[in-house]
Amino acid sequence: DTAVSQTPKYLVTQMGNDKSIKCEQNLGHDTMYWYKQDSKKFLKIMFSYNNKELIINETVPNRFSPKSPDKAHLNLHINSLELGDSAVYFCASSQDWGWDRGGPNEQFFGPGTRLTVL
Amino acid sequence: AQSVAQPEDQVNVAEGNPLTVKCTYSVSGNPYLFWYVQYPNRGLQFLLKYITGDNLVKGSYGFEAEFNKSQTSFHLKKPSALVSDSALYFCAVRDGWGYQKVTFGTGTKLQVIP
Repeated sequence: DTAVSQTPKYLVTQMGNDKSIKCEQNLGHDTMYWYKQDSKKFLKIMFSYNNKELIINETVPNRFSPKSPDKAHLNLHINSLELGDSAVYFCASSQDWGWDRGGPNEQFFGPGTRLTVL
Repeated sequence: AQSVAQPEDQVNVAEGNPLTVKCTYSVSGNPYLFWYVQYPNRGLQFLLKYITGDNLVKGSYGFEAEFNKSQTSFHLKKPSALVSDSALYFCAVRDGWGYQKVTFGTGTKLQVIP
């Protein structure tokens, strides 16, 4: 059973188009994330949601808009795609507990969506 | 601000030899440290974490890491490398508790030579 799933796995599109990537987790976690991994494999957080509320919003162009309809889903919409948006986008989720239950927990990553902008 | 450094882009080790992948960190509060592994065309997988307690942390696939507060390091180790350990390894740090972001290192490619 897939824990964190993303669709599509591959996305090839023209500059200027608008596209969306969907993410779902069936782990019951309350926090979800979007990361961008560039061609040099650098991994940078873009957004994080906790129980549908935006809690981390890094310096990302406002062409990128996340949406969390419920705590199991976090989608990423990208307007006016540019060449520099080409990357692998990873969704992740985690569940943080209080100190009495082990503290900060690891993140579970999806398989990634490889976006290529032509 | 928090940061994490992985000084080696690539580490080569012969199969059966011990391996070490280095990581140093900088935080203003208490560090929460993680190691992840990424195989080609896959997402990251959690290996181990240090939150508090014993400085030697054991994780998946025989990996372990030692938290060293004075040297601000959290090096990943394994006593005997396998060819299947060849992958990209990421160290990550989170500063403090709460809804804080995790900062990932630049990754170290581990190549285990048969």
